[in-house]
Amino acid sequence: GAVVSQHPSRVICKSGTSVKIECRSLDFQATTMFWYRQFPKQSLMLMATSNEGSKATYEQGVEKDKFLINHASLTLSTLTVTSAHPEDSSFYICSAVWGGNSNQPQHFGDGTRLSIL
Amino acid sequence: AQSVTQPDIHITVSEGASLELRCNYSYGATPYLFWYVQSPGQGLQLLLKYFSGDTLVQGIKGFEAEFKRSQSSFNLRKPSVHWSDAAEYFCAVGADFGNEKLTFGTGTRLTIIP
Repeated sequence: GAVVSQHPSRVICKSGTSVKIECRSLDFQATTMFWYRQFPKQSLMLMATSNEGSKATYEQGVEKDKFLINHASLTLSTLTVTSAHPEDSSFYICSAVWGGNSNQPQHFGDGTRLSIL
Repeated sequence: AQSVTQPDIHITVSEGASLELRCNYSYGATPYLFWYVQSPGQGLQLLLKYFSGDTLVQGIKGFEAEFKRSQSSFNLRKPSVHWSDAAEYFCAVGADFGNEKLTFGTGTRLTIIP
């Protein structure tokens, strides 16, 4: 089945640093990847939609200069949290879709737990 | 705007008992509907999906869901739960099977007691 790998699974860093999270589709080409954020005991909130080779589309209220998304290849998208602060601590999850078949659902990574001290 | 409501925040069921998790949606067109399961600290696994055809959809792990257009519902069911079913369950609606963004409900946490 379709596998999406997300790395790292957990990261703890100091306030002010930048953190990069990778999302890879291991056995299919993902023309579209989505980045979600999940607060404790809450649902997933879409942050942005990433299409290979073009700029990401951000949801209302999401700072594009804070959360940099790059989708440089059909198997890799990255989310960089710039100058991270404690309020950025959260669980970030990516998903990927194989664009070759419109009947394919989103496949999710295992998420990244980000903790900013 | 599309929305999903999962009225039950937390459900506790005895092992071997039947289960029904409720999901109501609001969507302007014909919806694509999904149920996902999330174990603690992990990503989401697709249980089943629906767009058209038979309104009773079979998924993995013995789960099924029934689409009822008149009630705008897509409830998830399982005849007999196992301890390994304990997890968080999310209902979601989208405009496509995958290429469009999903709107998730707030989730239902399922606890299984012996």
